[in-house]
Amino acid sequence: DAGITQSPRYKITETGRQVTLMCHQTWSHSYMFWYRQDLGHGLRLIYYSAAADITDKGEVPDGYVVSRSKTENFPLTLESATRSQTSVYFCASSDYYEQYFGPGTRLTVT
Amino acid sequence: KQEVTQIPAALSVPEGENLVLNCSFTDSAIYNLQWFRQDPGKGLTSLLLIQSSQREQTSGRLNASLDKSSGRSTLYIAASQPGDSATYLCAAHATDKLIFGTGTRLQVFP
Repeated sequence: DAGITQSPRYKITETGRQVTLMCHQTWSHSYMFWYRQDLGHGLRLIYYSAAADITDKGEVPDGYVVSRSKTENFPLTLESATRSQTSVYFCASSDYYEQYFGPGTRLTVT
Repeated sequence: KQEVTQIPAALSVPEGENLVLNCSFTDSAIYNLQWFRQDPGKGLTSLLLIQSSQREQTSGRLNASLDKSSGRSTLYIAASQPGDSATYLCAAHATDKLIFGTGTRLQVFP
């Protein structure tokens, strides 16, 4: 399917577990982004990548790890999940000018 | 630091009204401004992108304007319909990143 996809769409995990959220885009966009969306905080940038093997921190990177070995994939890993990481996570890609968002992953940490 | 503000935070109007949603940003050195729509429980859909050299963009009943000197953008929705009910987000493109406003939650009732 063309576009940007995220998996899983829903995830429940326990505190302390490692979780990886996947993001895949078919447009060959150079830029990819991870955001979290929480009530009262809006959308906040976690990490972004300008190209394969190039990543940079956003506004709230603590507790998260990213990698980008291939242009089309940008996984986000929570190394040791905490309850404060319960959120909706959105991946996006960009041709630099316009950003396109995935459908989101709703993550609950119990 | 770029900050983006949206007014009003919420709006409830009868069907057929023409609407103006406001977005202001503190740093006029932006590359472009993007308007999104978000339905409850869904991802963000790009509505309009205004590049810094442009003054406005139109798509159907939507018209967005950009005034960099005053740090303002407006989204005009003509002849509103119940299907327009959603949260509308503006985002200013600064360097490699988008800075999001907190959104205007719009409800259009029949």
